[in-house]
Amino acid sequence: GAGVSQSPRYKVAKRGQDVALRCDPISGHVSLFWYQQALGQGPEFLTYFQNEAQLDKSGLPSDRFFAERPEGSVSTLKIQRTQQEDSAVYLCASSGLARYEQYFGPGTRLTVT
Amino acid sequence: AQSVTQPDIHITVSEGASLELRCNYSYGATPYLFWYVQSPGQGLQLLLKYFSGDTLVQGIKGFEAEFKRSQSSFNLRKPSVHWSDAAEYFCAVGAQSGGYQKVTFGIGTKLQVIP
Repeated sequence: GAGVSQSPRYKVAKRGQDVALRCDPISGHVSLFWYQQALGQGPEFLTYFQNEAQLDKSGLPSDRFFAERPEGSVSTLKIQRTQQEDSAVYLCASSGLARYEQYFGPGTRLTVT
Repeated sequence: AQSVTQPDIHITVSEGASLELRCNYSYGATPYLFWYVQSPGQGLQLLLKYFSGDTLVQGIKGFEAEFKRSQSSFNLRKPSVHWSDAAEYFCAVGAQSGGYQKVTFGIGTKLQVIP
């Protein structure tokens, strides 16, 4: 089936605006992860969902970052009052319950001006 | 907490030459180890993984990696590099945390292939 998809692929926001990034995981995958990848860096963990439950949000950098997965499939990462340091690629990944490897989407490149 | 070190930020090799990308990890228990590749503007694609068993792991696109516990290393190798291998390569270590894999990535090694 289809892989992980993310939208939009590119987003330009003015500082102070709110943004919402969407992730469609692989159908049937119960685990969903969000990562932030700054320029020249590896991805860094933000948060983890198992179905609709957010079990780990230890990587969210501030309370301006919020993620949800209300029906256990599609997830949205919301960033309020964006700052320049939020500029990065936001990657979503999903995995099945019985498997360990994560499958990544193409990412959303966020640029805050 | 686990960590990954990729000591080479940028590597240039000639097409047809062999390749080895270095990765060292830090983790208290038996690690789950991964190599991912990222082409410009793309997400990460899994090349190979090690969970247990044979320490020499074969992956896609002709890549292999060897887990050496004594050296805390998981180096990626390819006997003959193709121009299409030019990309960024990330080593990662996963740790079980409350029933899921919490994965930590290295900073990445950017591979340039010259004719």
